[in-house]
Amino acid sequence: ETGVTQTPRHLVMGMTNKKSLKCEQHLGHNAMYWYKQSAKKPLELMFVYSLEERVENNSVPSRFSPECPNSSHLFLHLHTLQPEDSALYLCASSQDGRGWDEAFFGQGTRLTVV
Amino acid sequence: AQSVTQPDIHITVSEGASLELRCNYSYGATPYLFWYVQSPGQGLQLLLKYFSGDTLVQGIKGFEAEFKRSQSSFNLRKPSVHWSDAAEYFCAVGARSGNTPLVFGKGTRLSVIA
Repeated sequence: ETGVTQTPRHLVMGMTNKKSLKCEQHLGHNAMYWYKQSAKKPLELMFVYSLEERVENNSVPSRFSPECPNSSHLFLHLHTLQPEDSALYLCASSQDGRGWDEAFFGQGTRLTVV
Repeated sequence: AQSVTQPDIHITVSEGASLELRCNYSYGATPYLFWYVQSPGQGLQLLLKYFSGDTLVQGIKGFEAEFKRSQSSFNLRKPSVHWSDAAEYFCAVGARSGNTPLVFGKGTRLSVIA
């Protein structure tokens, strides 16, 4: 496989469920990102990891918990979500997280909270 | 910090007509500039990028963009639009220093009519 792969592609979960989103990149990149894309809002950067350490957390609620066990894998653990958390969650990676680094995106996980 | 504005939320063009999508940025120096495209339910794909040199940049799928420093703009153009170009288009700006991720605009949705 090449590029950035996200699983699952679609997820429906209840507000009391616990689930995880997975992202894997096969590009040898050192930086990985989680974005949230809602219907009426722009891309929202949620978390940034560089060399497996979190370097940015844009005031995301604690019901979203990221995990980066190595430079190729990124998880987003979900717990006690709200209906307004329904969105497309996009994972991306880049070489080093610098301004000139092109970001490569996965196809996203469409999350519906019921 | 850098910022980017895409003034047009939605644009409709006829197939075969020319296209120009606007992007304005704010940054203290010459930034790195990118255009991405997102088809429905998919992740973002890079169309083209500007780092330095020639201000007219060629990208994939017949797209081009021109960097105009005096106008702080990086507009995307295509001479003849195809129905398959219907998608969401995002402009992004990267800083030339520091470890800051790309900043994305809110996107412009392109509809193509027969």
